[in-house]
Amino acid sequence: GAVVSQHPSWVICKSGTSVKIECRSLDFQATTMFWYRQFPKQSLMLMATSNEGSKATYEQGVEKDKFLINHASLTLSTLTVTSAHPEDSSFYICSASEISGESYEQYFGPGTRLTVT
Amino acid sequence: AQSVSQHNHHVILSEAASLELGCNYSYGGTVNLFWYVQYPGQHLQLLLKYFSGDPLVKGIKGFEAEFIKSKFSFNLRKPSVQWSDTAEYFCAVNARTGGFKTIFGAGTRLFVKA
Repeated sequence: GAVVSQHPSWVICKSGTSVKIECRSLDFQATTMFWYRQFPKQSLMLMATSNEGSKATYEQGVEKDKFLINHASLTLSTLTVTSAHPEDSSFYICSASEISGESYEQYFGPGTRLTVT
Repeated sequence: AQSVSQHNHHVILSEAASLELGCNYSYGGTVNLFWYVQYPGQHLQLLLKYFSGDPLVKGIKGFEAEFIKSKFSFNLRKPSVQWSDTAEYFCAVNARTGGFKTIFGAGTRLFVKA
């Protein structure tokens, strides 16, 4: 199946700094990528939809100026957490999609664990 | 708006017991349905998916799910669980009319006693 990678797999940063997380589709072109966050023992919550070459669409309650998303190519999307705070500590997961007619499947990356100290 | 409800938040079973995890979705159009599993400390893995056709879908590791359109349900089943099935299970749905955004249920944490 299709493979999605994320880098880094974990990162620790100091409060106030910015962190960039990369999401790559390795063997297919993804016109759309999604970013989720998962708090401990909770479900995945969709943060934003990232379309190649256009601005991301953010879910209600997600600060677009804090979570900057760039989808510069069909195989790469990046999420930058700006001015990170301890409450931003979470597991961030990206997914990339292949669409064929009405069928649609997302392939998930392994996630990035962010800890803000 | 799309939503997914998983009825059981925690399930504890003994090995060899049968499993059924409930999932209901709220969406009026044509949907794609998924069950994912997340083992402790690991990332999401797809168990099975339904796009169209036979409403009884078979997935990996002996899991299956049945799509009942009239009930807006997509319950996950396994006839005989193993200790290694201990994990968290997520039901998810997406649709073209929703921009293919995949919405997840809250998850069901399954613990299988050896």
